[in-house]
Amino acid sequence: DTAVSQTPKYLVTQMGNDKSIKCEQNLGHDTMYWYKQDSKKFLKIMFSYNNKELIINETVPNRFSPKSPDKAHLNLHINSLELGDSAVYFCASSRTGAYSYGYTFGSGTRLTVV
Amino acid sequence: SQKIEQNSEALNIQEGKTATLTCNYTNYSPAYLQWYRQDPGRGPVFLLLIRENEKEKRKERLKVTFDTTLKQSLFHITASQPADSATYLCALGNFGNEKLTFGTGTRLTIIP
Repeated sequence: DTAVSQTPKYLVTQMGNDKSIKCEQNLGHDTMYWYKQDSKKFLKIMFSYNNKELIINETVPNRFSPKSPDKAHLNLHINSLELGDSAVYFCASSRTGAYSYGYTFGSGTRLTVV
Repeated sequence: SQKIEQNSEALNIQEGKTATLTCNYTNYSPAYLQWYRQDPGRGPVFLLLIRENEKEKRKERLKVTFDTTLKQSLFHITASQPADSATYLCALGNFGNEKLTFGTGTRLTIIP
């Protein structure tokens, strides 16, 4: 099926650990994003890549590092996890020119830091 | 600072009626506005896009209006059904900037 797929769907880990979330899209889109949705369901952009190039980097701690090996993949690595990192992380993709096209979101990764 | 507010956190509507959701923004001049639907445990799903020079867009039972003077968008679902129950999010963006800024969302419940 054509989609944006994220793994894992659930991630429970202890404070201080390092973890990664993977994202892949087979829609042929040029732009990929990471969004964070907090407990109040507010969606906030973290990063955006266009053809493997970082184009948006919001105020996110340096512990978060995105990596895009090719335009179909955008992974998120988080170092030294903190309790406040607990949230649902969504990967999304779009054709370049979001003003003409909507985003396609993955189903999310629920990260719980204990 | 930019602010996007959706009229209420939760809205209950009787089945068959028209549900109207509001998205208001301040300190922002968006070139376009999008509406998404999000079901529990799922990612948002794109519904409609409307540009600043368009007053209204329709898709089946959905209608979106965009008033740049009032800085407001209205999202209507006509002949609402229980299956329309979900959280609806508005999102704003500008040309040349691949970033959507999302509103706080409205949880819509259609009561049979």
